[in-house]
Amino acid sequence: GAGVSQTPSNKVTEKGKYVELRCDPISGHTALYWYRQSLGQGPEFLIYFQGTGAADDSGLPNDRFFAVRPEGSVSTLKIQRTERGDSAVYLCASSLIPGTSGLNEQFFGPGTRLTVL
Amino acid sequence: GENVEQHPSTLSVQEGDSAVIKCTYSDSASNYFPWYKQELGKRPQLIIDIRSNVGEKKDQRIAVTLNKTAKHFSLHITETQPEDSAVYFCAAHYGRGSQGNLIFGKGTKLSVKP
Repeated sequence: GAGVSQTPSNKVTEKGKYVELRCDPISGHTALYWYRQSLGQGPEFLIYFQGTGAADDSGLPNDRFFAVRPEGSVSTLKIQRTERGDSAVYLCASSLIPGTSGLNEQFFGPGTRLTVL
Repeated sequence: GENVEQHPSTLSVQEGDSAVIKCTYSDSASNYFPWYKQELGKRPQLIIDIRSNVGEKKDQRIAVTLNKTAKHFSLHITETQPEDSAVYFCAAHYGRGSQGNLIFGKGTKLSVKP
């Protein structure tokens, strides 16, 4: 079946602009995660949704970052007043709702490479 | 805060040799430890994971060991092949029960020379 998809694959914007990054999780996956990966680093947690609600947004770096998942499927990460330091690959992942066996594998999307000039 | 340390940052081995990557974590409540492989320009892909009620898990040429007392876990790749060349990330789950998130190490770039 189809994996996690993300659009756009690349986004170039100017400092101060607003951007939206989209994630389509695997059908039936209720948990959705956003990560940011800078060059030479591991993925850095941003926010986690369980269904429509943000279960943990402690990783969002500041109030310029916001994410929504209004219908419990597609999610959008929104960045206001972009800064050069926001340049990174933004990864989305999804997983099944944790079952009785505990946590489930997170499947990653291909990422969106954001470049802020 | 929660932290995952990963060593070494780079590792070069000859084809057929073994490779070992080690990670330590800070939160004794962590209960899930996945390992991801990321090829250049590609998405991270899970290769193996281990839960806190198990000390060792093996899948063909790949094995992971977990020492909860010492709070460290390791990835072992035997009979390495050139296609094993990639960046490997360890991660530890933080949070209460099934909630929470993964904290990743900084990665190990493995190069397997033919």
